[in-house]
Amino acid sequence: EAGVTQFPSHSVIEKGQTVTLRCDPISGHDNLYWYRRVMGKEIKFLLHFVKESKQDESGMPNNRFLAERTGGTYSTLKVQPAELEDSGVYFCASSPRWGTDTQYFGPGTRLTVL
Amino acid sequence: GIQVEQSPPDLILQEGANSTLRCNFSDSVNNLQWFHQNPWGQLINLFYIPSGTKQNGRLSATTVATERYSLLYISSSQTTDSGVYFCAVDEETSGSRLTFGEGTQLTVNP
Repeated sequence: EAGVTQFPSHSVIEKGQTVTLRCDPISGHDNLYWYRRVMGKEIKFLLHFVKESKQDESGMPNNRFLAERTGGTYSTLKVQPAELEDSGVYFCASSPRWGTDTQYFGPGTRLTVL
Repeated sequence: GIQVEQSPPDLILQEGANSTLRCNFSDSVNNLQWFHQNPWGQLINLFYIPSGTKQNGRLSATTVATERYSLLYISSSQTTDSGVYFCAVDEETSGSRLTFGEGTQLTVNP
């Protein structure tokens, strides 16, 4: 069974540009999460989808970040326009059930904003 | 929100040594996971352990939910064990988002 996959693995962009990150969860997992680790700090929650619905987006830092999960399969996280402080590693995770199951993490996308 | 504290922040061992990493949390949890972040930045699941004890090879973990702490034991450490170990919890009242500790940086020297 394939794990959580993320694309791209690395992205380097200029301040003010737009970047879109993609996450493909484990097949059959209804729950999809985005997290990020910026500036070497702790890993922080961004948002949680249950199928195509946003269950919890309390961690989204501001309106420059837009997450979608059309059809309840893969998800995208768009940053527009990117700022220097957005640099870091963006992780996606998935789990089959809500609240009581292991979250399986993808390899992350390393975003560098110059 | 819930607070997660890991100790020690840094640990240096010689190959073959044993170690114990600790995770304290400030509230009741539904979920507790231990991860190993390898040198390539990948987060590898080690244990899902909201309570009780589990073992997987040279690694074992124990969570005492009533006292709000978890321990990760690494025995006969190897250089490949190096990396950052994270504890993450999902508090009972927050839905299923994980709150991470700051991690323990483990270095195993040959």
